[in-house]
Amino acid sequence: KAGVTQTPRYLIKTRGQQVTLSCSPISGHRSVSWYQQTPGQGLQFLFEYFSETQRNKGNFPGRFSGRQFSNSRSEMNVSTLELGDSALYLCASSLLGTTGELFFGEGSRLTVL
Amino acid sequence: AQSVTQLDSQVPVFEEAPVELRCNYSSSVSVYLFWYVQYPNQGLQLLLKYLSGSTLVKGINGFEAEFNKSQTSFHLRKPSVHISDTAEYFCAVRGNAGNMLTFGGGTRLMVKP
Repeated sequence: KAGVTQTPRYLIKTRGQQVTLSCSPISGHRSVSWYQQTPGQGLQFLFEYFSETQRNKGNFPGRFSGRQFSNSRSEMNVSTLELGDSALYLCASSLLGTTGELFFGEGSRLTVL
Repeated sequence: AQSVTQLDSQVPVFEEAPVELRCNYSSSVSVYLFWYVQYPNQGLQLLLKYLSGSTLVKGINGFEAEFNKSQTSFHLRKPSVHISDTAEYFCAVRGNAGNMLTFGGGTRLMVKP
């Protein structure tokens, strides 16, 4: 069974640009969550999608957005990039229900210059 | 709202020695508790989880954790560590609304030969 796949794994952008990250969940998983990991702030929840609907949202500015498609694949977008957006962005998928384990991808490492 | 405190940012230990990584949480609702491990340049892997029932939880790679409701703690232990256990360990809590995890700051376990 394939795991959570995130693309691209590494990318470099400059301030002011925008970026789109992609996440393909494990087959059959309908919940997809996104987390930002930085040395200073640690792991922070961005948002969660279930059946194409955003179910929860973390405390991030509106420049951070996401969506989920009918096949459960998800994308997140960051517009007007800032230096502080440099981070590892992790996607996790889960089966239905609040007791389900989260399965994480290897992440997309974004560097903003 | 929940919060998680991992009391030690780094724990050095010699190979084959026992180790305990400490985690305390606060929450106004019942929580589910997790320990994840992250190896360099990888995503998070679930070590173990407490959902309900027995307070002593056994996980992969010989790790175990004990849920203590009165102390609001969920410390991770291993009786004998190996060099390959060198990694960063994250404690996390989840309430009963969706799959949003709140993570602690992480503990870097450094196993020395």
